[in-house]
Amino acid sequence: GQNIDQPTEMTATEGAIVQINCTYQTSGFNGLFWYQQHAGEAPTFLSYNVLDGLEEKGRFSSFLSRSKGYSYLLLKELQMKDSASYLCAVRGLNTDKLIFGTGTRLQVFP
Amino acid sequence: SQTIHQWPATLVQPVGSPLSLECTVEGTSNPNLYWYRQAAGRGLQLLFYSVGIGQISSEVPQNLSASRPQDRQFILSSKKLLLSDSGFYLCAYSPGGTQYFGPGTRLLVL
Repeated sequence: GQNIDQPTEMTATEGAIVQINCTYQTSGFNGLFWYQQHAGEAPTFLSYNVLDGLEEKGRFSSFLSRSKGYSYLLLKELQMKDSASYLCAVRGLNTDKLIFGTGTRLQVFP
Repeated sequence: SQTIHQWPATLVQPVGSPLSLECTVEGTSNPNLYWYRQAAGRGLQLLFYSVGIGQISSEVPQNLSASRPQDRQFILSSKKLLLSDSGFYLCAYSPGGTQYFGPGTRLLVL
């Protein structure tokens, strides 16, 4: 079967660092995506990993370990506007279809 | 630049009424197109995807249907809405790999 697990909710303080984990079990793997979704809005693309290692993009970084079926999204210097849901999604082989986790709702407090 | 449009933004419909949601993409040719539904507090569920005009794959059995009459137009329809059809409907396109989402249509069936 195919399964993607993320924590349901997390809280953090403005200015801090937070790591959102994602574990996956899929029949094939061809990339992992992170999306940000503010309440009532559509998801927006944050990052893509297909090889092991860390991809850094400004305050956001994403890490992948294919052997462990594990990824994390690291958010640095948290801002209030980072309060949102973060969706982990995996792409299978020979397809553009994505399987989404249920998302992690992050609340940033002052 | 590439953009994706969806309308209407919100819709309130009685049970048993028909439905037509439209999605159009600009700035790219022959994209893969997707319809997702997101129920309140839940993850994204892929409903349909299309790799070309007239080519539709259904992911889950339901009373919804999809059509792609033109390369950059994707339509989601129903002949008779159910209460369980309420949710946030998102169209996405993939010019090659990453999926990008439209603004969504919030549907409430009463």
